[in-house]
Amino acid sequence: AQTVTQSQPEMSVQEAETVTLSCTYDTSESNYYLFWYKQPPSRQMILVIRQEAYKQQNATENRFSVNFQKAAKSFSLKISDSQLGDTAMYFCAFIPNAGGTSYGKLTFGQGTILTVHP
Amino acid sequence: EAGVAQSPRYKIIEKRQSVAFWCNPISGHATLYWYQQILGQGPKLLIQFQNNGVVDDSQLPKDRFSAERLKGVDSTLKIQPAKLEDSAVYLCASRTFYDTDTQYFGPGTRLTVL
Repeated sequence: AQTVTQSQPEMSVQEAETVTLSCTYDTSESNYYLFWYKQPPSRQMILVIRQEAYKQQNATENRFSVNFQKAAKSFSLKISDSQLGDTAMYFCAFIPNAGGTSYGKLTFGQGTILTVHP
Repeated sequence: EAGVAQSPRYKIIEKRQSVAFWCNPISGHATLYWYQQILGQGPKLLIQFQNNGVVDDSQLPKDRFSAERLKGVDSTLKIQPAKLEDSAVYLCASRTFYDTDTQYFGPGTRLTVL
């Protein structure tokens, strides 16, 4: 079974500064996908960034980037130039690419509440 | 492209009552998921459909929860009878058959059981 752990229940950052959210996971799979989702108070779960395990290059999406360390099973999210609209719950999630019924089954971490202060 | 639609957005019921949630996935998305998200936790998968067939319902409490996806498009999730611990946000998500990793979520239904 796969597990995803987010060890930071809450984080805060000043507007325009940089913040890093941590995530570790445990799996015996060799091929999988990792995601960061953002859930603002409106509850809409929004995909922020995705990473394919077989790609060594870290994914980036504008102000969002990841540090993917496959050997350490670590997948952190860096938010640069933080904005007030980044305030939300952030979830790290994992999907194994192993076929069968587990394919497409997301396992989520517990979430990190990020607050951006003006 | 329209996103995943869900209704109602909020529902308050007494314990032992019944409730149903509706989901309309993104057009063309063959795979549909229902998740339960208890306050302060990550979503937990309840059931996964591929077209109108069930792929995974291993974490669905089948004594009180049921779900269907007639014609492989819309889906309903029902709870009968509801318990206090069913208070949660129920999220629906969908993905295409070919984009097999990225799921797109609806706004969710917040259920409160009194």
